[in-house]
Amino acid sequence: EDQVTQSPEALRLQEGESSSLNCSYTVSGLRGLFWYRQDPGKGPEFLFTLYSAGEEKEKERLKATLTKKESFLHITAPKPEDSATYLCAVQAEATGFQKLVFGTGTRLLVSP
Amino acid sequence: DAGVIQSPRHEVTEMGQEVTLRCKPISGHDYLFWYRQTMMRGLELLIYFNNNVPIDDSGMPEDRFSAKMPNASFSTLKIQPSEPRDSAVYFCASSPLSPPSGRVDTQYFGPGTRLTVL
Repeated sequence: EDQVTQSPEALRLQEGESSSLNCSYTVSGLRGLFWYRQDPGKGPEFLFTLYSAGEEKEKERLKATLTKKESFLHITAPKPEDSATYLCAVQAEATGFQKLVFGTGTRLLVSP
Repeated sequence: DAGVIQSPRHEVTEMGQEVTLRCKPISGHDYLFWYRQTMMRGLELLIYFNNNVPIDDSGMPEDRFSAKMPNASFSTLKIQPSEPRDSAVYFCASSPLSPPSGRVDTQYFGPGTRLTVL
């Protein structure tokens, strides 16, 4: 069974304090790994898609990386507006075309 | 584009009542997804459609749940009868047809419907 585990469940940072969020996955044939950001009371907002080990993508203070077993979302010099829940999801060959399996997320709070 | 539109945004009902959630996907998208989000289980896929046809409904929890997509611009998720354990946030998402490369396309989520069953 395809599984996605995110850690930590919650993370509190001071503004400017860099850190990383982890997404470990077990899938039978990875087609793609997605990162989403979710603000309270809103739907998930797409951030990145990674397709193969070694791939990296960046957007402002965020950088996503991928290995064969896990993905990291690095947050450099975060600001309070980066506070949100970050969700990781995978699409695997065995679970069907277009089907995503989500982790339970990491709640990030950045204090000024 | 206005993005994925869902209605109502909030729904409070009593156990046993019928609940209908509505979704308008992004114009031109070929796939439509219904998800349920709870604190305990996170975001779970219930069902998805391709070109208005249900493809995979293995995530639908019980026969009390049903979903339809009568045309490319409208879908409903119905719960009848509703139970307190159905309380959750229900999201609709849509995505365009994947390119020939086989790579998956991004799913775009609506704002969700918060359902409370008393």
